[in-house]
Amino acid sequence: ILNVEQSPQSLHVQEGDSTNFTCSFPSSNFYALHWYRWETAKSPEALFVMTLNGDEKKKGRISATLNTKEGYSYLYIKGSQPEDSATYLCAFNSNYQLIWGAGTKLIIKP
Amino acid sequence: EPEVTQTPSHQVTQMGQEVILRCVPISNHLYFYWYRQILGQKVEFLVSFYNNEISEKSEIFDDQFSVERPDGSNFTLKIRSTKLEDSAMYFCASSEGGGHRNEQFFGPGTRLTVL
Repeated sequence: ILNVEQSPQSLHVQEGDSTNFTCSFPSSNFYALHWYRWETAKSPEALFVMTLNGDEKKKGRISATLNTKEGYSYLYIKGSQPEDSATYLCAFNSNYQLIWGAGTKLIIKP
Repeated sequence: EPEVTQTPSHQVTQMGQEVILRCVPISNHLYFYWYRQILGQKVEFLVSFYNNEISEKSEIFDDQFSVERPDGSNFTLKIRSTKLEDSAMYFCASSEGGGHRNEQFFGPGTRLTVL
């Protein structure tokens, strides 16, 4: 059974601080790793799709790295702002389907 | 900006009733998906659909479930005889391509409550 784990489950961060969290996934039969940002009552929003070992992607203050050999990805947020408060989900691409982690709920304290 | 839409936003039904959840994917997208999230649990894949056929389905997607693209714009999920455990948020998604590099764009979900 393919399993995707995310840690921590939730995180409180002071506004202005930087933070990061982890997604662990199976290292065999890797196709792609997706990161999504999900605000309450909204649609999950794609942040990154990562496919190559050593990939590093950046969108504004958010960046992600990928290690397919050991099966983990880190998501970094630099200088957290209140609007960064959301649940961050990673999903492992197995053929056509996405297998999801449980998410890291990020709360930014003003 | 184009987006995936879903109706209704909340559906309440009695156990044993049939429900149809509707989705309008982004117009130039060719691949369509249904996912669900039972309260407090992970998002789970149900089915993917391309060229009027199911391309992949999970163990959850049993004979009670079916999908259809009845016209050029809608993509529906039907649950024939709902059970209490079908209560969940159901998300539709679409993507331009079916490869692993393709982003899937999600709708806002339909909350299904089975009483």
